[in-house]
Amino acid sequence: KQEVTQIPAALSVPEGENLVLNCSFTDSAIYNLQWFRQDPGKGLTSLLLIQSSQREQTSGRLNASLDKSSGRSTLYIAASQPGDSATYLCAVMDSSYKLIFGSGTRLLVRP
Amino acid sequence: GAVVSQHPSWVICKSGTSVKIECRSLDFQATTMFWYRQFPKQSLMLMATSNEGSKATYEQGVEKDKFLINHASLTLSTLTVTSAHPEDSSFYICSASQLALGETQYFGPGTRLLVL
Repeated sequence: KQEVTQIPAALSVPEGENLVLNCSFTDSAIYNLQWFRQDPGKGLTSLLLIQSSQREQTSGRLNASLDKSSGRSTLYIAASQPGDSATYLCAVMDSSYKLIFGSGTRLLVRP
Repeated sequence: GAVVSQHPSWVICKSGTSVKIECRSLDFQATTMFWYRQFPKQSLMLMATSNEGSKATYEQGVEKDKFLINHASLTLSTLTVTSAHPEDSSFYICSASQLALGETQYFGPGTRLLVL
C-alpha cells in the first residue's frame, strides 16, 4: 500500500529565505507526482506536476525534483514571501490514477 | 479552462438529516470524478471514484450506504451524506478528470460540512 510522508509537518521562516520541503513515498511505481498549495479552508491549487519519467519541474520561484528510485521528491521555494504561507501537499498518482496525499507541510513566512 | 465547482461551499445541519453536495465540471466533460474528505490538519483521503453512468467504487472503510454518490451526467456528480452525525463534520473536496485531457484531476473549492 502506497504511503506518502511529508517532512517537516510545520515550518516557520523569515521572509527571503530559501527553503526545501520534503516528500517521500513507499512504492516507486507511480504515474506522476504533484505538489499542491492549500490555503486555510480552501481547495487545492496545483503548483507543479512531475511525470514519472521526469526529474524536475520549475515554475517561477518553485522547483520540484523527483527521484523515483529512492521514493523522494523535494519542493524548493526561493526567496520566500509572506504570501507563500500555506499548507503544501505532495501527492503521488498510482497506476490506477488514484492520488495518494501526504499529510502536508504548514509553512509560515514571517515578514 | 478545466474549472470545477462545488455547491454549497459550506453547510450546517442537524444530526440525523441528510446533506447533498454537488460537484460540477463547468467547461469540460468529466468521465471520472473523485470525492475526498479532509479532517482538520490532516490530509485528503480518497473516499470513492465514480464514472459517469456506473456505480461508484468506494475505498476501504468508507460506508457506501452512508455516502451515496451519483454521477448521472458528464458534468455533475453528487455526494449525499445520509443520517449525518457530528463525526461526519469535515471538508469534502471533489475532483474531475477527462480521458481526453489525460490523467490530471481538477479540484473543486471544497464544501465544509458541520453537523450539530
